[in-house]
Amino acid sequence: NAGVTQTPKFQVLKTGQSMTLQCAQDMNHEYMSWYRQDPGMGLRLIHYSVGAGITDQGEVPNGYNVSRSTTEDFPLRLLSAAPSQTSVYFCASSYGSGYTFGSGTRLTVV
Amino acid sequence: AQSVTQLGSHVSVSEGALVLLRCNYSSSVPPYLFWYVQYPNQGLQLLLKYTSAATLVKGINGFEAEFKKSETSFHLTKPSAHMSDAAEYFCAVSIGGGADGLTFGKGTHLIIQP
Repeated sequence: NAGVTQTPKFQVLKTGQSMTLQCAQDMNHEYMSWYRQDPGMGLRLIHYSVGAGITDQGEVPNGYNVSRSTTEDFPLRLLSAAPSQTSVYFCASSYGSGYTFGSGTRLTVV
Repeated sequence: AQSVTQLGSHVSVSEGALVLLRCNYSSSVPPYLFWYVQYPNQGLQLLLKYTSAATLVKGINGFEAEFKKSETSFHLTKPSAHMSDAAEYFCAVSIGGGADGLTFGKGTHLIIQP
């Protein structure tokens, strides 16, 4: 029972590069969400999804794209990375009040 | 929109003393409320959650929290602090039954003095 799997665990990007952070869950949860964690800011919601084909913006969506083609996967795309996107990213899946978080991706943009 | 305020970015207590971490929320509808703990360079661990059942919620590691609707608060307590409790603590709220994600407070760093 893997729960929520995030890949990669670490990544260094150059400014302007693009990449996709992967998130997969095996619990058949309808709801999934992405967060970024910055010192002194807590975790902030980037995008969320209530089911396959349905996504919406959270508190800090600028610079990020998402799609949800299957229940299991919810990738987060950075089209043109900026130093301000240096952060730790967490993905979560949920059903009702039960949230399961991935172990995070530490992204550095230089 | 909902919001969460955690009073005190850093809280320092002596080992064996009471731990009190404060959390206030704003929400136009009955919320789900959560406390998470994060140890250095690790992920999030759920301590406890409130889902409209009992207002006093007991969690792991001896922590508990009380939901007070009149005060819009969900403070976290532990009667006797251990050195192993040193960590970052986050309060969070959800109002969409899990559908629209969590809104987190900015966190409280708990320091345990020997």
